[in-house]
Amino acid sequence: NAGVTQTPKFRVLKTGQSMTLLCAQDMNHEYMYWYRQDPGMGLRLIHYSVGEGTTAKGEVPDGYNVSRLKKQNFLLGLESAAPSQTSVYFCASSYWRGNSSYEQYFGPGTRLTVT
Amino acid sequence: DAKTTQPTSMDCAEGRAANLPCNHSTISGNEYVYWYRQIHSQGPQYIIHGLKNNETNEMASLIITEDRKSSTLILPHATLRDTAVYYCIVRALYGGATNKLIFGTGTLLAVQP
Repeated sequence: NAGVTQTPKFRVLKTGQSMTLLCAQDMNHEYMYWYRQDPGMGLRLIHYSVGEGTTAKGEVPDGYNVSRLKKQNFLLGLESAAPSQTSVYFCASSYWRGNSSYEQYFGPGTRLTVT
Repeated sequence: DAKTTQPTSMDCAEGRAANLPCNHSTISGNEYVYWYRQIHSQGPQYIIHGLKNNETNEMASLIITEDRKSSTLILPHATLRDTAVYYCIVRALYGGATNKLIFGTGTLLAVQP
C-alpha cells in the first residue's frame, strides 16, 4: 500500500494564479482532511470530508475549495493564490471505528510558495 | 476539546529513555489522550493513545495519571531518528463524526549522540 500520497511535492505560484493539490489514499478510508502548517506552528484544519461527495469547513477555510468526487481522492483548490497561502499542506485520512482508534494517516506534504 | 500544555523543547541522550510530559487539566471523562510526532519536513505520524490505563505498543508507552490531568509519553531507548516534534492531543471518542485533531506547537525532542 502506498498509504496517502500528495501531488505535487513543491510548487511556486504567482499571486492570483490558481492550482489544485491532489491527495490520494489507498486504504479505503472514509474520512479525509486538508491541513496547513506555517513555520513554527502546529497544523490547522482547512477542510475535511466524511465521505464521497461530502465536504465541510475546518478552522481556516477561507480562500480554499475542496472536492471529493471519489472516495480515494480529495482535492484542494486555490482559485486566486495569495502570499498568505504560502505554507506546507498536509493531507490525511482515517476510518471510522466504534472504538477509540481514531488515528489519522498523513501524506508527505506539499510545499507551496506564493510570490 | 481540552487544551494541552507541553514544554517547548527537551533533550535526551541517545539510548536513554525520553520522557515527554503533557498537562491536560481540563480533560473530560470521555476524552482520550493521543500522541503524534512530526519528523522534520514529514507528515505527522500516530504514536499511541489511551483513556485512563497505561498503554504500550512497539513505539512507546503512555502513562496517564490517575486523575487524568497529565500524561507522559515514554520512548524507552531513544535514537537519533526519534528527533522530532511531539504533539499531545486530547480528543473525545464520540465528539462527532469529524475526527478533527487540534494540534498545538508540541515539544521538540532533540536526541543527542
